Amino acid sequence: GQQVQQSPTSLVLQEGENAELQCNFSTSLNSMQWFYQRPGGSLISVFYNPSGTKQSGRLTSTTVIKERRSSLHISSSQITDSGTYLCAMDLSSGSWQLIFGSGTQLTVMP
Amino acid sequence: EAGVTQSPRYAVLQEGQAVSFWCDPISGHDTLYWYQQPRDQGPQLLVYFRDEAVIDNSQLPSDRFSAVRPKGTNSTLKIQSAKQGDTATYLCASSFEGQQDTQYFGPGTRLLVL
Repeated sequence: GQQVQQSPTSLVLQEGENAELQCNFSTSLNSMQWFYQRPGGSLISVFYNPSGTKQSGRLTSTTVIKERRSSLHISSSQITDSGTYLCAMDLSSGSWQLIFGSGTQLTVMP
Repeated sequence: EAGVTQSPRYAVLQEGQAVSFWCDPISGHDTLYWYQQPRDQGPQLLVYFRDEAVIDNSQLPSDRFSAVRPKGTNSTLKIQSAKQGDTATYLCASSFEGQQDTQYFGPGTRLLVL
């Protein structure tokens, strides 16, 4: 089965609403990351978050390693937040191989 | 500092044709990764190198896919006899030893096999 499961698969918001994206891991992991991807664009690392809570502007990531889950909270969403958000885990083997989820497609409407 | 560059950006093939993708990593990055990202899915690692050496190619379909990085800088991923199931975006990423938690991704090559 899938090692990294993300939810929801897609999300449509009105500008200004908040979003909560979830990521669950089926195996033990060393750490995890959140990435952002525009259609046809590169992946950009948003958070490297081994554990705990990190905030950057309107984005907050909370990771609980022993519970194998992470969340990404977007507050006061903007149209420019639209795109795909992917979480990925580093395997505990320390081989620096990223295992990605399928992503959440976020659309923020005006 | 230039980012990771890839070419071509797009490729359209008939089944059975061959295609090569090129990746130029960030200067000084010793580790280079190739990922396959099917539509509406996350990237899946195909192979990665440290310098010129293949570290892991266990996910590379070896009968039709090959990847090289002869001088430890640029890399080429080649598909012989493409199949419709190869339709995907092929992403290259690079990182620096000592900062392996940060991979920098290129824009990808979007491949359509008809």
